[in-house]
Amino acid sequence: SAVISQKPSRDICQRGTSLTIQCQVDSQVTMMFWYRQQPGQSLTLIATANQGSEATYESGFVIDKFPISRPNLTFSTLTVSNMSPEDSSIYLCSVGGGVTGDGYTFGSGTRLTVV
Amino acid sequence: DAKTTQPNSMESNEEEPVHLPCNHSTISGTDYIHWYRQLPSQGPEYVIHGLTSNVNNRMASLAIAEDRKSSTLILHRATLRDAAVYYCILRDSDSWGKLQFGAGTQVVVTP
Repeated sequence: SAVISQKPSRDICQRGTSLTIQCQVDSQVTMMFWYRQQPGQSLTLIATANQGSEATYESGFVIDKFPISRPNLTFSTLTVSNMSPEDSSIYLCSVGGGVTGDGYTFGSGTRLTVV
Repeated sequence: DAKTTQPNSMESNEEEPVHLPCNHSTISGTDYIHWYRQLPSQGPEYVIHGLTSNVNNRMASLAIAEDRKSSTLILHRATLRDAAVYYCILRDSDSWGKLQFGAGTQVVVTP
């Protein structure tokens, strides 16, 4: 299965600033997924990133707040823009799936605290 | 997306089997049943998945009801390292492949 390197592992940021999270995969993948996990909660899908096209966002998430880049088949970034304390969460990227429904791999996450 | 229902929590003694139920009464014919677990301070980890037949791997077994409206994840001998939140997720093979997580089951293993 794919191996994901996610950076940074954690950060403390000032409100009003932006943070870009990187996700590097050791193999080429079609789809990459970004999730948010608020404290004590389950994972919520933010968006699906397909190389060469704009990301598809889930209800409640918008591109201006969470712009995503997908420059090639092994890399993606998620930016959390104009942060507020409510954005304090763990952000995770994921890859996998495919037509056969294989298992997915998740990054170790970025723990973001906004002060 | 089809929804799953799991108990909030389950307790088990170490070295005993754990049976984690999942109800998915609205499952469609193209939905795969996926199980993941999340250990504290880690990202989710793939456990097992299946479509119609029971499945076994080194981590667990997945028993799927004949009508596919429920399934059970079986951990054969629980260890303290199996304490985690276990998620049962339906993955539509016709979608973009995204997984939608529910609340999951918190498994507590006592020595």
